[in-house]
Amino acid sequence: KNEVEQSPQNLTAQEGEFITINCSYSVGISALHWLQQHPGGGIVSLFMLSSGKKKHGRLIATINIQEKHSSLHITASHPRDSAVYICAPRSGSARQLTFGSGTQLTVLP
Amino acid sequence: DGGITQSPKYLFRKEGQNVTLSCEQNLNHDAMYWYRQDPGQGLRLIYYSQIVNDFQKGDIAEGYSVSREKKESFPLTVTSAQKNPTAFYLCASSISQDYEQYFGPGTRLTVT
Repeated sequence: KNEVEQSPQNLTAQEGEFITINCSYSVGISALHWLQQHPGGGIVSLFMLSSGKKKHGRLIATINIQEKHSSLHITASHPRDSAVYICAPRSGSARQLTFGSGTQLTVLP
Repeated sequence: DGGITQSPKYLFRKEGQNVTLSCEQNLNHDAMYWYRQDPGQGLRLIYYSQIVNDFQKGDIAEGYSVSREKKESFPLTVTSAQKNPTAFYLCASSISQDYEQYFGPGTRLTVT
């Protein structure tokens, strides 16, 4: 079973700061998803990546398959980025997602 | 407008009653999923379906049942056998199992 660890669990930042959220997992995977969950509960998929790096606006996701580690970066953070960020690797054999418990990000104006 | 709808947003039931949560998608996706979220924990897979008239148990299927009679619909029944049914339930869909998943807004079920 894939064990997923996210750090930090909680993060408070000032508007404009550069944010990094980390995700480590224990078994080989075929892809990893980063998700954003807003206070109302709705979840939005941010990235799906299997190697290297992807960028979308102020968000950047990287993955190192050998190290079993992925990071989500937010540049020039804004209060509207406040949400829970969840990483979810997909195990190669099971093809199902295993979800981290999430990182609660609060960006203060 | 394409998307996934779940209804209702909030649901209250008495212990011992079965309750069915609705999930509908108009994205023409083959795969659909039901997850449960409890405070401080990651989402856990209850059931998934890769195609109409087929579904498989996830990690925590006990006390739940599903059906997939139409491509667009994947209702989840929480039976009285589920010991701790109070939770936030999320439905998702994807083109197929290896693709990005799109999530519905969720249903918060409270059983007293």
